[in-house]
Amino acid sequence: AQTVTQSQPEMSVQEAETVTLSCTYDTSESDYYLFWYKQPPSRQMILVIRQEAYKQQNATENRFSVNFQKAAKSFSLKISDSQLGDAAMYFCAYVGDRDDKIIFGKGTRLHILP
Amino acid sequence: EAQVTQNPRYLITVTGKKLTVTCSQNMNHEYMSWYRQDPGLGLRQIYYSMNVEVTDKGDVPEGYKVSRKEKRNFPLILESPSPNQTSLYFCASSLTPHLAGAQNIQYFGAGTRLSVL
Repeated sequence: AQTVTQSQPEMSVQEAETVTLSCTYDTSESDYYLFWYKQPPSRQMILVIRQEAYKQQNATENRFSVNFQKAAKSFSLKISDSQLGDAAMYFCAYVGDRDDKIIFGKGTRLHILP
Repeated sequence: EAQVTQNPRYLITVTGKKLTVTCSQNMNHEYMSWYRQDPGLGLRQIYYSMNVEVTDKGDVPEGYKVSRKEKRNFPLILESPSPNQTSLYFCASSLTPHLAGAQNIQYFGAGTRLSVL
C-alpha cells in the first residue's frame, strides 16, 4: 500500500530565510502525482504546488519549489524568502495514476519567526 | 466563483443523534470526497465518489455513510455518532483525482468542526 511520510511534525524559520519541508512516499507505481497543500489558521486547504512523476523538471510556483527525487521517492518543499503568511500546516499528498484515493501525510506545522 | 460549500461549519451533538453534513460544489466535478483531520494523523479519506450513484470506501469509512444522488451534492451521514467521531471534516471535489494537467486539482470546502458529546 502507498504511504506518505512527513518526518518533521514542526519546524521554525526566521522571516526572509529559506526552509525545506521533507516528504517521502512509498509506491510501486511509475506514474503518479504529488502535491503540497497549505492549511493556515483559517483551516482552508490550499494547493501550493503539484508535481507529475513523469516530469523530470521540478515544479516551481513563485517562492515555492520542490525537489523531486523519483528514485529516492522524496518530494521536499522549499520556501524561499519566508513570510509571516507562510505560517501554516503543510501536507504532502500522493495519488497514483490509476488510483481513486488520495493519501496525505500527517503534516508539518511551520512557524515563521519575526 | 468556483466553490465547495459545507454546512454546518460547527456542530455540537450528542452520542447517537443522527446528523448530516452537507457538501455542494458548483464546478460540475465528477469526483467528490470526504476527509477527517485529527491531530497527529493528518487527513484521512472517509468516502469518495467518482460520479453519481458511484461511491467507495476510503481508509476510515466505519460509522459513516454517503450518497451521491446528484452530481453537485455529496452529504456525509453519521447514523449514530460517537465521541471518536469528534473531528474536523473536509469535503473536496475535483474533475477526477488522476487526470494530468490543470484539471488535476482538488478544491476543498472550509471544513466542519464536529464535537460529539
